[in-house]
This record gives sequence, structure tokens and C-alpha cells, in this order.
Amino acid sequence: GQNIDQPTEMTATEGAIVQINCTYQTSGFNGLFWYQQHAGEAPTFLSYNVLDGLEEKGRFSSFLSRSKGYSYLLLKELQMKDSASYLCAANTNAGKSTFGDGTTLTVKP
Amino acid sequence: DAGVIQSPRHEVTEMGQEVTLRCKPISGHDYLFWYRQTMMRGLELLIYFNNNVPIDDSGMPEDRFSAKMPNASFSTLKIQPSEPRDSAVYFCASSPSRTGRGYTFGSGTRLTVV
Repeated sequence: GQNIDQPTEMTATEGAIVQINCTYQTSGFNGLFWYQQHAGEAPTFLSYNVLDGLEEKGRFSSFLSRSKGYSYLLLKELQMKDSASYLCAANTNAGKSTFGDGTTLTVKP
Repeated sequence: DAGVIQSPRHEVTEMGQEVTLRCKPISGHDYLFWYRQTMMRGLELLIYFNNNVPIDDSGMPEDRFSAKMPNASFSTLKIQPSEPRDSAVYFCASSPSRTGRGYTFGSGTRLTVV
């Protein structure tokens, strides 16, 4: 079966750092995606972790622990435009992804 | 590349009518996915294709929903008859065989059934 949990909402201040956690229980798991979705728009790809560890890409980093079924997305130097929903998605060997319900991040000045 | 193209962007229809949503994936992408997004249920996978062949349609809500992919550059999702509870944003996404690039989503079709 597929079960993905992430917090519903988070609030942070411009310039700060925020960590969005995601836990998953997925049969045939082979990787973890993070997507960003602004209100009224489609999700856009941010990162993909296959192996344990931290992947850094500019202000965004993503971490995966396969043994713990755990991932997080780290956003540094927050900007107002980072206000969006962040979706965690577990990918399977069959090539399909199951999405979490998303974490709505609000960045305040 | 124009990305994944969906049409129409918005659709308002009366209950009982047939609705057809269209998608053109990115050229060269082997996988095509249809998702539905609502506030209550989030992003749900309805069906996906690999090389034009339906692989998993276990997410299709019921027999009123059907999807086809007659060739590598076109797919349709049909709802017949439509019901108010089908109101949602329907996304089409495509990806290459190498999953490390993630999915590319279309802009979505906002369907309202009244």
C-alpha cells in the first residue's frame, strides 16, 4: 500500500530556513520526489532522491533516509515567492508516483 | 519545447453531459499520467500509460471514466455521464523513462459540473 504524511501548513519568515518533513510507507519504493505548486498552477519538479543522503540544489536541499521512510525538503534564505504548496511524492519501481497532500508554506515579511 | 499541453483550460458542464479532456505529452516521453486534484483528496492518480499502453487504471473512480492513448502524442480522459462530484482540476503529466527528471505537468483542466 501507499501512505505518505506531511504537515498541512507551515509559516516562516523571509530570510529564514524552513524544513518540511515527509514520511512514507510505499511498496516497491525506488525514489522520493519533491514538487512545488503555487496556487492555481501545476506542480513543478524540485528534486529527486534515490540514495540516502542530502542533495543540494541552490537554496533548496532534499534529504532521504530509506531505512526510516523519511525525507525532508530544506529551504534556505526564504523569499516571498517561496510561498506555495510543497508536495512529497514516493515513486515506485512500476514508474508511478503517489503524492502526499502537500504542505502549504506561508512566508511572511 | 511547449511542454505538456492540455485542453480545455476550463470546462463547465451540466450533470449528465459527456466531458472529454485532452493532453499532448512532451515528445519523447514514454510515460503519461492522468491525475485529479481536489481540496479534500489531494492529487490522485487516475491512470497511467507506458508507450501508449495503459499500465494501471486502478485509480479510475468508476466505469463513467475512461482514458485512451491512440498514439504517442495524444491522450484523452472521458467522463460519461458527468456528476457534480467530478468537479476538480485534472492534470496530465508526462515523464521520460529515466524517472530522475520527475514529471512535467500540464496546466490542468478545471472542470465544474453543475
